[in-house]
Amino acid sequence: EAQVTQNPRYLITVTGKKLTVTCSQNMNHEYMSWYRQDPGLGLRQIYYSMNVEVTDKGDVPEGYKVSRKEKRNFPLILESPSPNQTSLYFCASSSPQVSYNEQFFGPGTRLTVL
Amino acid sequence: GQSLEQPSEVTAVEGAIVQINCTYQTSGFYGLSWYQQHDGGAPTFLSYNGLDGLEETGRFSSFLSRSDSYGYLLLQELQMKDSASYFCAVRAPGGYNKLIFGAGTRLAVHP
Repeated sequence: EAQVTQNPRYLITVTGKKLTVTCSQNMNHEYMSWYRQDPGLGLRQIYYSMNVEVTDKGDVPEGYKVSRKEKRNFPLILESPSPNQTSLYFCASSSPQVSYNEQFFGPGTRLTVL
Repeated sequence: GQSLEQPSEVTAVEGAIVQINCTYQTSGFYGLSWYQQHDGGAPTFLSYNGLDGLEETGRFSSFLSRSDSYGYLLLQELQMKDSASYFCAVRAPGGYNKLIFGAGTRLAVHP
C-alpha cells in the first residue's frame, strides 16, 4: 500500500529534551515536506526537500532541523523543544512525475512540550 | 509575500450545494490546490487548477480566475461525510513543493 508513515503518533516531552519524529514514504517520491498545524492557522510549512541532500526552509523553520540522507526518509529534529512547538505535525511527499501539486500526507504526530 | 483568505466556517444542509471561496496574493502564481481534512485525519488532495476555468471531479468542482486572484471549491449533493475542513493552497516561489496553505474553512453539513 502506498503510504507515508510517521512515528511516533503521539509524544509528550519536556522542554529541552531533544527529539526526532521520523517520516518515511514508499512511493519513491522526490519531494518531501514537514508542516505544523495549529488551530486557526492552517498548515504551515517548516522545511521541504526536493531530493536527497537538498533541503530548504519553509515559513516556520526556527527551532527545527531536517535531514534527507535517503530518498524515502525525512526526519524532523527538535534539538531543544519549547512549549510553543506543541502542535500537530504532518509529513508529506509528492512527485513531479505524478503532480507537483498533489501532496500525500502522513497520519500526523501530535506533540506536547511541557 | 504570499497569503490566502478563505471563510472560517460554512454551514449547509444535506443535498444542498456549497461554495468555498479562496482569494490569494502571491508574488508568483503556479496554480491553486484544494485539500480536505476530516477531524483527526490527514489532509487529502481534492483538486488542482493551473489554468482559468472549472475542473470537475464527481460531486466536487474547483474554479480558478487568475485575473481576479480568486478560486472556489464547489461541493454538490452534500452528504454528512463532507463535514470537514477544506484548505486552499498555492505553490510559492522557491521550490516546487514550497506550499502556502490558507487557514481552512470548516464545513458543517446538517440533516
